[in-house]
Amino acid sequence: GQQLNQSPQSMFIQEGEDVSMNCTSSSIFNTWLWYKQEPGEGPVLLIALYKAGELTSNGRLTAQFGITRKDSFLNISASIPSDVGIYFCAGRASGTYKYIFGTGTRLKVLA
Amino acid sequence: DTEVTQTPKHLVMGMTNKKSLKCEQHMGHRAMYWYKQKAKKPPELMFVYSYEKLSINESVPSRFSPECPNSSLLNLHLHALQPEDSALYLCASSRGGGSQETQYFGPGTRLLVL
Repeated sequence: GQQLNQSPQSMFIQEGEDVSMNCTSSSIFNTWLWYKQEPGEGPVLLIALYKAGELTSNGRLTAQFGITRKDSFLNISASIPSDVGIYFCAGRASGTYKYIFGTGTRLKVLA
Repeated sequence: DTEVTQTPKHLVMGMTNKKSLKCEQHMGHRAMYWYKQKAKKPPELMFVYSYEKLSINESVPSRFSPECPNSSLLNLHLHALQPEDSALYLCASSRGGGSQETQYFGPGTRLLVL
């Protein structure tokens, strides 16, 4: 099925560093969601974005809905070991229930 | 409360077995989803129910049969599965209408087909 381009594919960082990842689409979305998934668990919703240009924070996480409506960004500040996991973006176009998922960013944090 | 529950958590079945996965939410959501997820891959949409009617079937083989008995429950009936169907099966729900749709996932059922 269709997937969004998500980068980077994986990141190995030191504890305390900031992290940035992004998703790009060839089509316009009106909703962007960011999830974190740990092994054997379901994805957990981190941030939801509904408006072009919107910037939303959830603790150390900040996400933005790109102005073109074809991309979104997630930043994690001052990473900690429990940030380890796979981060997925998901976009949805108007008039459909279908979410398109990014390929995922695997994050590992070294203490 | 943004909880979606799924049972069982783990399931092992033979290729001739019939089993069912169950999903429940009490958020008043009117859209419910089944996804299949292989290791290190994103969730792959299988079915969407909106207002208890099947609205999306992503060309899923007939050995997977979804059912939505009411607005809170979603089942996935499994019959004559193949080993390649082994995966994490995720249920999700969303409000089902309006501009600010947010989708919440359950913890998943880990399925192993022998």
